[in-house]
Amino acid sequence: KAGVTQTPRYLIKTRGQQVTLSCSPISGHRSVSWYQQTPGQGLQFLFEYFSETQRNKGNFPGRFSGRQFSNSRSEMNVSTLELGDSALYLCASSLGVRAMPTYEQYFGPGTRLTVT
Amino acid sequence: GQNIDQPTEMTATEGAIVQINCTYQTSGFNGLFWYQQHAGEAPTFLSYNVLDGLEEKGRFSSFLSRSKGYSYLLLKELQMKDSASYLCAVDGGSQGNLIFGKGTKLSVKP
Repeated sequence: KAGVTQTPRYLIKTRGQQVTLSCSPISGHRSVSWYQQTPGQGLQFLFEYFSETQRNKGNFPGRFSGRQFSNSRSEMNVSTLELGDSALYLCASSLGVRAMPTYEQYFGPGTRLTVT
Repeated sequence: GQNIDQPTEMTATEGAIVQINCTYQTSGFNGLFWYQQHAGEAPTFLSYNVLDGLEEKGRFSSFLSRSKGYSYLLLKELQMKDSASYLCAVDGGSQGNLIFGKGTKLSVKP
């Protein structure tokens, strides 16, 4: 069974530009969560999608958005990039949603975004 | 406010048992995550505790006490490969936010 894949793996953008990152979950998984990891702030939760609907949301500005398609693939978009958006962006897939004791997540390798 | 505390660093010996504590104060609580992250790699999900008590998965166990705002991760029969950062995260922020601790860096010595 293929794992979670993220594309691209590395990306360099300029301040003010926008970027779209993609995540393909494990086959059969319907939930995708996105995280940002930086040396200063650590790991932070962005949002979670299940069956094309945003179910949970972190404390990030509206420049960060996401969506999920009918095949469960997800994209996240960051508009008007700032230097502080340089980070590792991780996605994780799961079969169902949180609050289920059987909940498990599987992470992708991440996309390393550098904003110059 | 919302706060999660875990020790910054811990050192333990190969073959021993180590307990990594996590205390939390959050506006809500739906569950608590533990993740393992090796340097330069993506995190690995270890556990998600919803109910009080101990859950065991092989050499790793996680305990939760919701009334005390307390959890721990227990690692038995430590191996060198267990050297990693261990992150505690509470599912209980507004709009379903996850609140992460700063992580505990565990070093396993021979």
